[in-house]
Parts: sequence; structure tokens; C-alpha cells
Amino acid sequence: EVQLVESGGGLVQPGESLSLSCAASGFNFRSYWMHWVRQVPGKGLVWVSRINEDGRITNHADSVKGRFTISRDNAKNTLYLQMNSLRGEDTAVYYCVSDLGGRLGNWGQGTLVTVSS
Amino acid sequence: DIVMTQSPLSLSVSPGEPASISCRSGQSLLHSDGHTFFDWYLQKPGQSPRLLIYWGSNRASGVPDRFSGSESGTEFTLKISRVEADDVGVYYCMQALETPYTFGQGTKLEIK
Repeated sequence: EVQLVESGGGLVQPGESLSLSCAASGFNFRSYWMHWVRQVPGKGLVWVSRINEDGRITNHADSVKGRFTISRDNAKNTLYLQMNSLRGEDTAVYYCVSDLGGRLGNWGQGTLVTVSS
Repeated sequence: DIVMTQSPLSLSVSPGEPASISCRSGQSLLHSDGHTFFDWYLQKPGQSPRLLIYWGSNRASGVPDRFSGSESGTEFTLKISRVEADDVGVYYCMQALETPYTFGQGTKLEIK
């Protein structure tokens, strides 16, 4: 069974940093692109970042470019999102998602990030 | 960015009745490999989103055949032949042709 388990969310102040992790199991993690998608509670889905199989290719939404970095450790079957210079508008549930060839096939349960003073 | 426009934004349907949701993309989503990079997702209350339809019309694993997807150019339609109580939630369309991947605003389906 495919499992994606996010961790690392919490309450931080504006300008601070936070690192999210996503532990993957039940599939060949190193063979898939991976994504982060976020959702403000009660609002819609917003794509954040993606990374290719070996970690050499990454893309980020303009709203997080230069502040967020997606990375992965295939030996640990883990996806990461380093979030710096956090803003109030980054408050959201962050989902770790596997890519099954241009489609977001498996989603984690999400981890809530709250940016507030 | 490719804009995805869904309609309606809310829908109330009686059990056993059909339902239809539309999504329009701002440009063609046809990839050079011949696939249309367009998906439908359902987020049930309190849950993470789940893939329903990919490449415009292919049902994901485990999705009942009551759900079907179709496309005509940049217009996409999700149809539920007979709505059940378990179908409640918010339906999102999404394009995966290019980054940033973009979602529609979501359509909330309720049962009458």
C-alpha cells in the first residue's frame, strides 16, 4: 500500500523557516517525480513545487520561488520542502504528492503550517 | 500560467440523478506524446484529494464506472451517471501540461 506521511508543520512567526518532510513507502520512490501542493483551509488547491526522480530538476511556483526549496533523499525514501522567509500567505495544509506521469496519483494526509505573530 | 475555469461552483443533486461539471482551460492541454494532461480530483470532507480521472477520460484505479470524463478541445466535462451519497465533496480540475500546474476553483457537490 502506498503511503505518504508528511511531518514538520507547526506555528512559526513571519520571516522564520520551517522544513517539511514526507516519508514514502509502498512504491519505488526513486522512480517518480514528486510534488508539494498546498491548501488554505476552506480554500482551493495550489501547486507549490515538483522534483524529478534524481533530484536534479526542480520547479517552484512564482509565489515561493527563492524562498522554498524542494529536495529528496532517495536512500531514505523522503521528500523535503525547506521553507524560508515565511509569510502569512504561506499558511496552509501542505500535501506531499506522487506523480504517476503527469497526474497526481497519491496524496499524503497533509501537514498544517501556520505563519502568525 | 494556464487558467482553469470550472462551472458550476456548487451543485445540489438528488441521489440517483446525474451530475455534470465543466472545466475550461486557457489553452490546449495536448502534450507532444499525444496525451491530454488534464485530470479530475475529488476531495471528500475532511480528506485529502484523490485522483478520479486522468488524461481527460481515463478512470483512476478503483474509481466507479459511474464517473466518466470527456473533452472537446479546451472544454472538459466530468459526468456522474447516478449520484450517490458518497460522492459529496469538492471536485477540482487540473492541468499538468506545464508548470505551474493549475487547478480550477473547485465545484462543491451536495446531495439533496
